[in-house]
Amino acid sequence: SQQGEEDPQALSIQEGENATMNCSYKTSINNLQWYRQNSGRGLVHLILIRSNEREKHSGRLRVTLDTSKKSSSLLITASRAADTASYFCATDALVDTGFQKLVFGTGTRLLVSP
Amino acid sequence: DAGITQSPRHKVTETGTPVTLRCHQTENHRYMYWYRQDPGHGLRLIHYSYGVKDTDKGEVSDGYSVSRSKTEDFLLTLESATSSQTSVYFCAISRQGGNQPQHFGDGTRLSIL
Repeated sequence: SQQGEEDPQALSIQEGENATMNCSYKTSINNLQWYRQNSGRGLVHLILIRSNEREKHSGRLRVTLDTSKKSSSLLITASRAADTASYFCATDALVDTGFQKLVFGTGTRLLVSP
Repeated sequence: DAGITQSPRHKVTETGTPVTLRCHQTENHRYMYWYRQDPGHGLRLIHYSYGVKDTDKGEVSDGYSVSRSKTEDFLLTLESATSSQTSVYFCAISRQGGNQPQHFGDGTRLSIL
């Protein structure tokens, strides 16, 4: 089934540095979402970008979408230790019943060291 | 945080026993979902609900059943648990359909011995 693939699988940086993670997907989408998951917690929605948008900002987050390359990137600027988490992209897909579901990638583990 | 409570948070049980996980929401959202999260697989959809008594299968529904008798509660049942169902289970809700932002509970860690 269609699935977002994040790259890299793990990323380790120092506080204050920028963190960039990428997501590639296989088929056309209506939107793409990014989620954060802290250890032992559920996923938290960060940002949604529609297929007709190229870039979107939310605070220190910048998401880009290139539908021609079927890829998206999440940039976290001026990283903080509190940004340490796993980050997942999610794309939409149809199930047999016509319902649109989210399909999650396997995530990028980000470690931000003080 | 969105008002989603999963219970229990941790459970250890034996192969062959029935297990029911509960998801309770206070947001009055129409859509509810059960996922499992396993290393190397990301989150996979087990079942979803689009209203009271309206449920359907996701991509990994074998061995699982669900029920939704009230807007706020969505139950996931493993009729006869197997070791392959050892996982972390997440409930999610959304106000609008399946490709809109979802809000997640903090998960149930289920171990089947």
